[in-house]
Amino acid sequence: QLQLQESGPGLVKTSETLSLACSVSGGSISSSGYYWDWIRQPPGKGLEWIGSIYHSGGTYYNPSLKSRVTISVDRSKTQFSLKLSSVTAADTAVYYCARHQAFCTKTSCYPTYYYGMDVWGQGTTVIVSS
Amino acid sequence: QSVLTQPPSASGTPGQRVAISCSGSRSNIGSNAVNWYQQLPGTSPKLLIYTNNQRPSGVPDRFSGSKSGTSASLAISGLQSEDEADYYCAAWDDSLNGGVFGGGTKLTVL
Repeated sequence: QLQLQESGPGLVKTSETLSLACSVSGGSISSSGYYWDWIRQPPGKGLEWIGSIYHSGGTYYNPSLKSRVTISVDRSKTQFSLKLSSVTAADTAVYYCARHQAFCTKTSCYPTYYYGMDVWGQGTTVIVSS
Repeated sequence: QSVLTQPPSASGTPGQRVAISCSGSRSNIGSNAVNWYQQLPGTSPKLLIYTNNQRPSGVPDRFSGSKSGTSASLAISGLQSEDEADYYCAAWDDSLNGGVFGGGTKLTVL
């Protein structure tokens, strides 16, 4: 059974870079046909998609965060990571990592949520404060 | 302001049927599959419906999904107290080239 676990500092100073990791266990992060996702939820608010990375390294980012976000995969550590730069109080949230299966035709694979995000981490709270 | 529009709240009594709507546009719901997630208080979201109307293993058949044009709906029949949660719709948006969520609907079982 695939499991995901977020880790990282719970407190980040304003204007600094938020760095989180998501450890993958019970399965391979290099499995073909899967995207690895970051989603966040500000206190008392709804879910916001941050970005996704394909097993081969291709990335998709939320346009509103794109200039500040980097998602990468570290296969040696079986984890993927999120970096969000120049953070402000508006970045305070619970950050979740998740996985979704790509929609593949005979020739290509696409990141659309055809099969949904079927595995989620428990989430980690990040507070941004000066 | 979320790209997908959901009512902020819904309610029903035990045994009743409730429906939660999700409205989008041609670039998201109109072109791609819709998923629904259930988030119980203090927990991570859980996939409830994928590909518009498919239930993952273990999800009771009281939960059903449908899609028509640029709108989707989640129906819960035989409402139970443990269904009290936040529900979110989601889809891929071809214009944004990214995922989009609804603002969430808080379901109260009276």
